[in-house]
Amino acid sequence: DQQVKQNSPSLSVQEGRISILNCDYTNSMFDYFLWYKKYPAEGPTFLISISSIKDKNEDGRFTVFLNKSAKHLSLHIVPSQPGDSAVYFCAAGGGGADGLTFGKGTHLIIQP
Amino acid sequence: DVKVTQSSRYLVKRTGEKVFLECVQDMDHENMFWYRQDPGLGLRLIYFSYDVKMKEKGDIPEGYSVSREKKERFSLILESASTNQTSMYLCASTTQGRYPYEQYFGPGTRLTVT
Repeated sequence: DQQVKQNSPSLSVQEGRISILNCDYTNSMFDYFLWYKKYPAEGPTFLISISSIKDKNEDGRFTVFLNKSAKHLSLHIVPSQPGDSAVYFCAAGGGGADGLTFGKGTHLIIQP
Repeated sequence: DVKVTQSSRYLVKRTGEKVFLECVQDMDHENMFWYRQDPGLGLRLIYFSYDVKMKEKGDIPEGYSVSREKKERFSLILESASTNQTSMYLCASTTQGRYPYEQYFGPGTRLTVT
């Protein structure tokens, strides 16, 4: 059973516009959520995180929103840049699981 | 800056061979993890370790074993490589401190088993 779901395998956004990546989870015991970015042939790099006691965390162009009642989080990238083209993984920590539980990823493509 | 290194970026092995993947981290992290990444499946946890000589099975441990003889080093062993173990293997580490969930990843090893 997939506890962290990213339902969009890919997303195409024009340069300069907002990119919104979505993630849903089923385990209400998760207490920490993270976004990782991955380029081909490289390991994932940590992007931004949010604790379950918050509903928003912002870092430069990146903002993560958490809606606990809906068990949903989203990553907003504004403005989108060509270097943002990558696979983005949503991950959750806690909930009785060891380590992190990852979604399957969303491939973000920024069009010039 | 945390650095996690993996012994090989690309590896080609034959079916039935014993394969060793090495991972070293330089931040004195207690926790270390091995994942595999496959298209459409995301990252799946193979094994992890909370301390030297400690190991725990993840979600897909079959066909793999691990070794952690030193704190900074975590090895993944494919006892008898099979073609379905062709994948990208990622090592990660994290502290047991304030932010135990923020894992730092190595560059990955692309393993092909023929």
